[in-house]
Amino acid sequence: QKEVEQDPGPLSVPEGAIVSLNCTYSNSAFQYFMWYRQYSRKGPELLMYTYSSGNKEDGRFTAQVDKSSKYISLFIRDSQPSDSATYLCAMSGGSNYKLTFGKGTLLTVNP
Amino acid sequence: DADVTQTPRNRITKTGKRIMLECSQTKGHDRMYWYRQDPGLGLRLIYYSFDVKDINKGEISDGYSVSRQAQAKFSLSLESAIPNQTALYFCATSDKWTSGSSETQYFGPGTRLLVL
Repeated sequence: QKEVEQDPGPLSVPEGAIVSLNCTYSNSAFQYFMWYRQYSRKGPELLMYTYSSGNKEDGRFTAQVDKSSKYISLFIRDSQPSDSATYLCAMSGGSNYKLTFGKGTLLTVNP
Repeated sequence: DADVTQTPRNRITKTGKRIMLECSQTKGHDRMYWYRQDPGLGLRLIYYSFDVKDINKGEISDGYSVSRQAQAKFSLSLESAIPNQTALYFCATSDKWTSGSSETQYFGPGTRLLVL
């Protein structure tokens, strides 16, 4: 079983749709959970960061962590064409140097 | 100016050639990383460095070497390039880990490498 599983998509939605992106993981030591956004031909950039379980909201974006199910989600409300990108989940155990990434989900929001 | 810069941005080379990819950062971070990204395989860690005197292998270090010339500079070398090293290479930095802080990494724009 891979440490982090992420559906690669691609996912195509109409503008204004609610988007749900998900990752599952197997390592119970993970405590820090991140979502990175990567535009075509660019480096990943941090979008959301969550520590332990719970929800975090930032504008149209909501990150959820359910440690009991080892499942994290990113919701995008009122999606825009500018949200079209690859979204990578990432997580770590804290003092452990290593960020473990999902393989990324390619999202296209159609006008 | 970008906090993490990489040079060159694009490179075409031939099998057997030695090449170097360079990374510089102005974030003042101690930790630096080299990843490669391949379609369907995601980001894979090649090498990482916690400070100038501390360099460690990642999950796919064979065929690569690194040099940490200063806190702000971390170079990746391909000793003898081969076609399956064709990929997108990213440098990243992060601050020292402290309890309660994240492991947020900040990425450069990437170097697109083609080995013929």
